[in-house]
Amino acid sequence: QKEVEQDPGPLSVPEGAIVSLNCTYSNSAFQYFMWYRQYSRKGPELLMYTYSSGNKEDGRFTAQVDKSSKYISLFIRDSQPSDSATYLCAMSHSGSARQLTFGSGTQLTVLP
Amino acid sequence: GAGVSQSPSNKVTEKGKDVELRCDPISGHTALYWYRQSLGQGLEFLIYFQGNSAPDKSGLPSDRFSAERTGGSVSTLTIQRTQQEDSAVYLCASSAGQGRNTIYFGEGSWLTVV
Repeated sequence: QKEVEQDPGPLSVPEGAIVSLNCTYSNSAFQYFMWYRQYSRKGPELLMYTYSSGNKEDGRFTAQVDKSSKYISLFIRDSQPSDSATYLCAMSHSGSARQLTFGSGTQLTVLP
Repeated sequence: GAGVSQSPSNKVTEKGKDVELRCDPISGHTALYWYRQSLGQGLEFLIYFQGNSAPDKSGLPSDRFSAERTGGSVSTLTIQRTQQEDSAVYLCASSAGQGRNTIYFGEGSWLTVV
């Protein structure tokens, strides 16, 4: 079993829909949680960074962490075709960039 | 440059040949990382540099893989006697330190071993 599980999709939604992306994990020591967005043939870019449990909002994006369930989510409101990308969750126990464990990514397509 | 620069962007090589992949991190970033991304897989950590030293080589999959960094800047990842299972995207990233700092990825080197 992988330490971090992420549904690979693909996920296809109409423009304007609310998108929910999720990861589950098994290591209870993880405290730092991140979401990266990766466009086709590009490197991943950091989208959201949260510590411990709770919610964090940034524009149309909301990250949620439920440590009791070992479950994290990324919500995208009013999705746009430009949101079409692969979304990778990542987490670590120390916050150190060299100890990140990544999910395999969910491929999202937002249809105009 | 403004971002992490990697070369070549694409490389097709014959099985058994050696390849070198280059990474030029963001100016001033002391930490540098190599990851591998295979189709349908997450990012797999390979090696981490702080300055010119590599305190963590735990992710290198075999002794065919090696990496060095010179002048606290450019890094080279070398794969000797390439195998078909080495086909992947090799991503380089850098950060201002090895602590809780954002890492910035390059666009990757797409390696295909035929």
